[in-house]
Amino acid sequence: DTGVSQDPRHKITKRGQNVTFRCDPISEHNRLYWYRQTLGQGPEFLTYFQNEAQLEKSRLLSDRFSAERPKGSFSTLEIQRTEQGDSAMYLCASSLAWTSNEQYFGPGTRLTVT
Amino acid sequence: GESVGLHLPTLSVQEGDNSIINCAYSNSASDYFIWYKQESGKGPQFIIDIRSNMDKRQGQRVTVLLNKTVKHLSLQIAATQPGDSAVYFCAENIGGGGADGLTFGKGTHLIIQP
Repeated sequence: DTGVSQDPRHKITKRGQNVTFRCDPISEHNRLYWYRQTLGQGPEFLTYFQNEAQLEKSRLLSDRFSAERPKGSFSTLEIQRTEQGDSAMYLCASSLAWTSNEQYFGPGTRLTVT
Repeated sequence: GESVGLHLPTLSVQEGDNSIINCAYSNSASDYFIWYKQESGKGPQFIIDIRSNMDKRQGQRVTVLLNKTVKHLSLQIAATQPGDSAVYFCAENIGGGGADGLTFGKGTHLIIQP
């Protein structure tokens, strides 16, 4: 499968714990996006990278959220000191800038904070 | 309020009929619009996009119409099939032509009746 992949698909954690999610974009795509989706809502944009540069991070929900893409390939999204309100689906998408504006989404990581 | 929204949360149609899903947006600066389909447990799947310099675009069994005067977007699906059952989201982008974060509406749940 050459699409966007995310790991893990499901994560259950206790409040206060840190969690990290991984996204592997489509191999030639240089842009990578993170979104959060809560039940019954559309995805909410969080941040994006072009290659290894994080070009937009003002939409991250709080300073507990951070994202990295150190080598311009895969990316990680970390949530520190998780809260119950962080329970949601975290989606990753990628696109190839300059030739296509289509963002291709992965299957998501469902986070449950107990 | 939200920049992008949908008129109806649920739409039920008979198999074989045509479906029309509507979307209203409020930001006149939006210049790129996308329709996504999301099946249960999966990430959003790209259907079709349109730029603000167009008012109609057709794909395979789908047509997107854009009315900038009233800030309205619609997705028409011809001869709906059971596999079309899903939640449909419209999304918008400002200035980046889709290469930046998208703003999604809440979604319309399309139900296909046999």
